[in-house]
Amino acid sequence: KQEVTQIPAALSVPEGENLVLNCSFTDSAIYNLQWFRQDPGKGLTSLLLIQSSQREQTSGRLNASLDKSSGRSTLYIAASQPGDSATYLCAAMDSSYKLIFGSGTRLLVRP
Amino acid sequence: GAVVSQHPSRVICKSGTSVKIECRSLDFQATTMFWYRQFPKQSLMLMATSNEGSKATYEQGVEKDKFLINHASLTLSTLTVTSAHPEDSSFYICSARVPAGRGEQYFGPGTRLTVT
Repeated sequence: KQEVTQIPAALSVPEGENLVLNCSFTDSAIYNLQWFRQDPGKGLTSLLLIQSSQREQTSGRLNASLDKSSGRSTLYIAASQPGDSATYLCAAMDSSYKLIFGSGTRLLVRP
Repeated sequence: GAVVSQHPSRVICKSGTSVKIECRSLDFQATTMFWYRQFPKQSLMLMATSNEGSKATYEQGVEKDKFLINHASLTLSTLTVTSAHPEDSSFYICSARVPAGRGEQYFGPGTRLTVT
């Protein structure tokens, strides 16, 4: 059974810092790995999707990497801004398109 | 991008009553939709997979008679919480899978259910 873990659970950084969020998964037989953002009381916004055959994806200040063999993914946020404050969720998708979510990292970027 | 809506966004109901939540894909047809629930400060837990024209597939531990799912069309899935109890109070989120592509799912804005 797939289990997804995210470290750290919470993170507080000053504006402008570069930061890394970590995600690990137990079953390497994934279809893809996705990163989402969730603002309080809201739904999910898709940030990046990495196919199982890919190593990384980039969008603006965000870069996500995937290492299937070690069961790890990282989300790198460059030059963080207060607007980046949210909960970041990673999720592993299996071959039946089911997403298994990690518990999230709550990020606070201080002005 | 693809848009998924949910209705209502918030609902308060009394114990013992039933409440229906709708999930619609607005600009694409979704043969598969998923229902999740999220408790405060916790992650999303998959409840069931809803396939158009067939019975939903429930995850282990989810009571199918309590959480009725109907996927009657390619753009609409409904979740009915029957005989609601206060412990059913939660944030319910649906997603719809784009049929072709890389397996993208687009999420609705969620429904906050409070059972009093």
